[in-house]
Amino acid sequence: AQSVTQLDSQVPVFEEAPVELRCNYSSSVSVYLFWYVQYPNQGLQLLLKYLSGSTLVESINGFEAEFNKSQTSFHLRKPSVHISDTAEYFCAVIFQGAQKLVFGQGTRLTINP
Amino acid sequence: NAGVTQTPKFRILKIGQSMTLQCTQDMNHNYMYWYRQDPGMGLKLIYYSVGAGITDKGEVPNGYNVSRSTTEDFPLRLELAAPSQTSVYFCASRTGPQIYEQYFGPGTRLTVT
Repeated sequence: AQSVTQLDSQVPVFEEAPVELRCNYSSSVSVYLFWYVQYPNQGLQLLLKYLSGSTLVESINGFEAEFNKSQTSFHLRKPSVHISDTAEYFCAVIFQGAQKLVFGQGTRLTINP
Repeated sequence: NAGVTQTPKFRILKIGQSMTLQCTQDMNHNYMYWYRQDPGMGLKLIYYSVGAGITDKGEVPNGYNVSRSTTEDFPLRLELAAPSQTSVYFCASRTGPQIYEQYFGPGTRLTVT
């Protein structure tokens, strides 16, 4: 079955600490991978995406994610977080041949001063 | 460009009432989607459309209906509202089959009591 799993529902970290938000998927076909961010009381915004090419992708605000095909993962990392990174982060996948995003359950990132 | 707009922002319905959630996009996108977001569950696809006159069911279509008479508009109809439909509803759109980035509206928070 095709599915997306975010292993942590909540991740608390201190400001300026590194963070990793985990995402795994299950699929027998090729995938396109996305991370979306949802700030409080807002809609979702695309943070970064992997469609093809380099397996390491970066966003403009310092996040990066690496596609690992053998481990079927697309973990999101940031070396030093800021209070403004407080948000919910969703991993999402389009499975080849489908036209729909499948979302993980979301990870709430809380930054403590 | 206003992007994807949704109305209303908030609504309280009584059990058994009906309503239509409006979604409009001004980006000339062919693909449009309706999701519901429940705490800890991520986003679940209700219905989607790949063009005017074409709609299809997602994961959780029961209790909802859609229509797509124009490229711009994709309203979601709730008939006989139930407490289980209390949720935040997001509309999204994207260009077409080879362009995978989805743009989300700000959401409608619906409470059914």
